Amino acid sequence: DAKTTQPNSMESNEEEPVHLPCNHSTISGTDYIHWYRQLPSQGPEYVIHGLTSNVNNRMASLAIAEDRKSSTLILHRATLRDAAVYYCILRDVSGANSKLTFGKGITLSVRP
Amino acid sequence: DAGVIQSPRHEVTEMGQEVTLRCKPISGHNSLFWYRQTMMRGLELLIYFNNNVPIDDSGMPEDRFSAKMPNASFSTLKIQPSEPRDSAVYFCASSLGTWDTEAFFGQGTRLTVV
Repeated sequence: DAKTTQPNSMESNEEEPVHLPCNHSTISGTDYIHWYRQLPSQGPEYVIHGLTSNVNNRMASLAIAEDRKSSTLILHRATLRDAAVYYCILRDVSGANSKLTFGKGITLSVRP
Repeated sequence: DAGVIQSPRHEVTEMGQEVTLRCKPISGHNSLFWYRQTMMRGLELLIYFNNNVPIDDSGMPEDRFSAKMPNASFSTLKIQPSEPRDSAVYFCASSLGTWDTEAFFGQGTRLTVV
């Protein structure tokens, strides 16, 4: 499976934008980039995903590098509720095995 | 829809006992995942079903663990015999089964083996 690399942790101030980086230098053409987050004492929840183009939804934006070897999850205005572990995951679309494998993620802390 | 439903939410059992965790996926979803989460090892994928068929069970720790999906609306993860090192939070997730859709997770079952 192609691997992702994320910093261990990041701090942010409330109401400021947050940029969470992810490196995936061995990404293949059939890998989608997915982001999930896990709030304390809860199961993971989907945030966003994309293939080549930048993506926006109500929760966040996903900026994908032109060579697809890195991506950035952007939270436009961080709130205290955004404090969580964020996981960057590559999901292979080829073949029948489309499993979702989590790494260690990045722990985001938000200061009031 | 009530989302992915797992039961029980908490389970405390003695070493050597059989433990069965249950999961009801979201109606219409045809992929189901079982995960285990501990502080040491993070979130590990145990097994992945597609259309009720196990596609990848490479994450199942050992023969003490088994998972079944008898129909599209129910799955079980069984540990027999249980050991203290099996203590963890077990999550079930379901999705529409393709790479282009999101997976929805249940609230998890916290298992403690004493």
